[in-house]
Amino acid sequence: DQQVKQNSPSLSVQEGRISILNCDYTNSMFDYFLWYKKYPAEGPTFLISISSIKDKNEDGRFTVFLNKSAKHLSLHIVPSQPGDSAVYFCAATVTGTASKLTFGTGTRLQVTL
Amino acid sequence: GAGVSQSPSNKVTEKGKDVELRCDPISGHTALYWYRQSLGQGLEFLIYFQGNSAPDKSGLPSDRFSAERTGGSVSTLTIQRTQQEDSAVYLCASSPRQGFDEQYFGPGTRLTVT
Repeated sequence: DQQVKQNSPSLSVQEGRISILNCDYTNSMFDYFLWYKKYPAEGPTFLISISSIKDKNEDGRFTVFLNKSAKHLSLHIVPSQPGDSAVYFCAATVTGTASKLTFGTGTRLQVTL
Repeated sequence: GAGVSQSPSNKVTEKGKDVELRCDPISGHTALYWYRQSLGQGLEFLIYFQGNSAPDKSGLPSDRFSAERTGGSVSTLTIQRTQQEDSAVYLCASSPRQGFDEQYFGPGTRLTVT
């Protein structure tokens, strides 16, 4: 039972354009969401997070949007850069549960010149 | 500063053998997590340590898997009688305290069971 789903295994975007990565979840108890970025042969690195009390969080070129009613979140990268090419994982947790993260399967983003 | 380190980076073992994977968390981090990523899958939670509390083993897939954390620092994940389905990347993460949701991951150990 995949509680966090990233239905697009890959995405290709031209440099300078917007990248939109999507994530859906099924567990309504999740109240904190994170995006991690992973380069080959490295561990995931934290990118941005959002609490369920918000619907948007912005950090530089990265913005995460949360739609609780649809159980959907998205990560926007504007403008996209070649160094953004990586696998992006969406993760969710229930605060107060020792922060065990439930991850999606990842979306591979390729930013082309 | 030093991040989370894991060893070995790669391990190839024969089916039925035992393996030990090591994780050195960031100094001072009290929470330590093990995850694994099988081919084409997301990261799957295995076990969680917080300070001196009893570990949360709810994610361990079978009793062939065990982990310990000595002195609140280094952790070892042991897989006994390895099976081919144990082949995966095993990732360790640490965080400064329980409830701090940002976790810092090591590079992982790629385990291949032949």
